[in-house]
Amino acid sequence: GIQVEQSPPDLILQEGANSTLRCNFSDSVNNLQWFHQNPWGQLINLFYIPSGTKQNGRLSATTVATERYSLLYISSSQTTDSGVYFCAVVLEYGNKLVFGAGTILRVKS
Amino acid sequence: AAGVIQSPRHLIKEKRETATLKCYPIPRHDTVYWYQQGPGQDPQFLISFYEKMQSDKGSIPDRFSAQQFSDYHSELNMSSLELGDSALYFCASSLVGAEQYFGPGTRLTVT
Repeated sequence: GIQVEQSPPDLILQEGANSTLRCNFSDSVNNLQWFHQNPWGQLINLFYIPSGTKQNGRLSATTVATERYSLLYISSSQTTDSGVYFCAVVLEYGNKLVFGAGTILRVKS
Repeated sequence: AAGVIQSPRHLIKEKRETATLKCYPIPRHDTVYWYQQGPGQDPQFLISFYEKMQSDKGSIPDRFSAQQFSDYHSELNMSSLELGDSALYFCASSLVGAEQYFGPGTRLTVT
């Protein structure tokens, strides 16, 4: 099956720092989503980005489908950004999301 | 905007008991998905329904069954519960092929 690899697995930042999270996938996909799972377990949609670049406040994401990777940029990080960031993809001809293992982010004040 | 609703939010059961989880998708969404997230793991796909018909199936144990009703709500039934079934269970909904939106999850603890 498809492999979804996220890096780094863990990241500790000082408040105000910037970071880049990466997601590599091994097959062509129809859909790619980024989620933030907060400490209470809720999965919050960040981006639906099968290709191209999108921005939402301090967050932005870029997916290069032909090279099978996506990047999530977090600028001016805040303690509330702490949690786990998941990348998830939907294969061509499929509809289920396949998740990566996640990046655990801790932002220190 | 309306979101996906799941109930109950927390559930404690003993081994060999039965549990029923409910999901109410976002209005007008035609596809419902169930995912299971074990402690420290990523969510894993269980099963999905498109217009009330099962559309895809993942690694769902035979002890689990699910269905989608005429009002589009879905239920996940889990029987002969085992300690390893303790997990966070998410329901998600979408228009077919589009962005999936997740509910808050049901945290199941089996003792």
